[in-house]
Amino acid sequence: AQTVTQSQPEMSVQEAETVTLSCTYDTSESDYYLFWYKQPPSRQMILVIRQEAYKQQNATENRFSVNFQKAAKSFSLKISDSQLGDAAMYFCAYRKYSGGGADGLTFGKGTHLIIQP
Amino acid sequence: EAEVAQSPRYKITEKSQAVAFWCDPISGHATLYWYRQILGQGPELLVQFQDESVVDDSQLPKDRFSAERLKGVDSTLKIQPAELGDSAMYLCASSRTSASYNEQFFGPGTRLTVL
Repeated sequence: AQTVTQSQPEMSVQEAETVTLSCTYDTSESDYYLFWYKQPPSRQMILVIRQEAYKQQNATENRFSVNFQKAAKSFSLKISDSQLGDAAMYFCAYRKYSGGGADGLTFGKGTHLIIQP
Repeated sequence: EAEVAQSPRYKITEKSQAVAFWCDPISGHATLYWYRQILGQGPELLVQFQDESVVDDSQLPKDRFSAERLKGVDSTLKIQPAELGDSAMYLCASSRTSASYNEQFFGPGTRLTVL
C-alpha cells in the first residue's frame, strides 16, 4: 500500500517570505500523480498544484512550485512571497495511475502553515 | 462556479443511533468519493463510485457503514449504529471521470460528533 509522510506538523513564516513544506511517499508504482491540497479553516479543500510522475519538469502555479525527486520519493512544496491568505492546512496526496478504476487519493497527515504578519 | 454540496454541515448524535449524510456532486461529474477525516489527520478514502457503481469500498467498515448512489448523481452515506470513534469530518469529492489526471473537487464536509 502507498503511504504519504509529512514530517512537519506545523510551519511558521513571515509574510512575504518563502517557505517549503516537505513530503515523502512510498510506492512500488512507476506511474502516479502527486498533489498538494490546501484546507483553510472551515472551508473546503482545494487543489494547489499537481505533478505527473512521468514528467521530469517540476510543476509551478504562480507563487507555488514543487521540487519533485522521483528517485528519492520526495515532493516538497515551495510557497514564495507568502501571503496571509496562504494560512491553512496543507496536505500532500498520492494517486496511482488509473485508466478508469480505483483511484482515490492517499493523503499525508498535513502541515499547519502559519503566516506571521 | 459549480461546487460540491453536502448536508448537513454539522451533526451531533448519540452512539448506537443511525446517521446519514448527503452529497450532490458537480453536475456532469461521473465519479464520486467519500472520505473520512479524523481530527489532526489527512482524509482517508471510504468509497468511490463511478456513476451508480461502486469502484472501491475496500476501506468502508461494511458492518456499520453503507453508501449508495442510486441514479448516479447524488449520494448518501449512512452509519448504523454510530460509535464514538466515528466522530470525524466526512468529505465528499467528485471528478469528471476517474482518470487519474482529473482534479477531485471537495465539498465543505459534514462534521459528525458522536456522544
